Amino acid sequence: QQQVKQSPQSLIVQKGGISIINCAYENTAFDYFPWYQQFPGKGPALLIAIRPDVSEKKEGRFTISFNKSAKQFSLHIMDSQPGDSATYFCAASRDSGAGSYQLTFGKGTKLSVIP
Amino acid sequence: EAGVTQSPTHLIKTRGQQATLRCSPISGHTSVYWYQQALGLGLQFLLWYDEGEERNRGNFPPRFSGRQFPNYSSELNVNALELEDSALYLCASTRQTGWRETQYFGPGTRLLVL
Repeated sequence: QQQVKQSPQSLIVQKGGISIINCAYENTAFDYFPWYQQFPGKGPALLIAIRPDVSEKKEGRFTISFNKSAKQFSLHIMDSQPGDSATYFCAASRDSGAGSYQLTFGKGTKLSVIP
Repeated sequence: EAGVTQSPTHLIKTRGQQATLRCSPISGHTSVYWYQQALGLGLQFLLWYDEGEERNRGNFPPRFSGRQFPNYSSELNVNALELEDSALYLCASTRQTGWRETQYFGPGTRLLVL
């Protein structure tokens, strides 16, 4: 059972364009939604995160849009650059008991930004 | 500040053997999570250790086990290796429990089971 569905699997965007990655979740108990960026040979690194009481969060060129009623959230990368080429994972977290907040990840989107 | 470190970077084993993977959290972090990143499956939660105790585990068989040492470093053991255990194993550390606590990931150990 996949609790966080991410699309698309891969994305090619021209330099300067907007990259959009979408995620949908099923469990309404999730209360924290981070996005991670992973470069080849590296572990994932936190990019930006949002709580469900906020509909949008922006940090530089990265924006999360959150739709609680639709149980969907998305990452927008404005003015995409070749250095943004990486795999992006959406994730969701909740209290799984005994204070455990493990992340449930989407399957990832491989973004390629071409010059 | 040094990040999360993992060793070895690569590990090749044959089916039925045991593998031991190690993780050193960021200094001051007491909580360690282990994830499996198998091809096409994304990252899946394996185990959570906090203050030396196993607090929670994901949907993996008991042959996946581990421990956390007094210095908060952690070890993941995989017994009776199967071909499908081939994956990148990532550990992440946090300062304390809590849903706002950022999980910082190491570079991972790539395990190949032949």
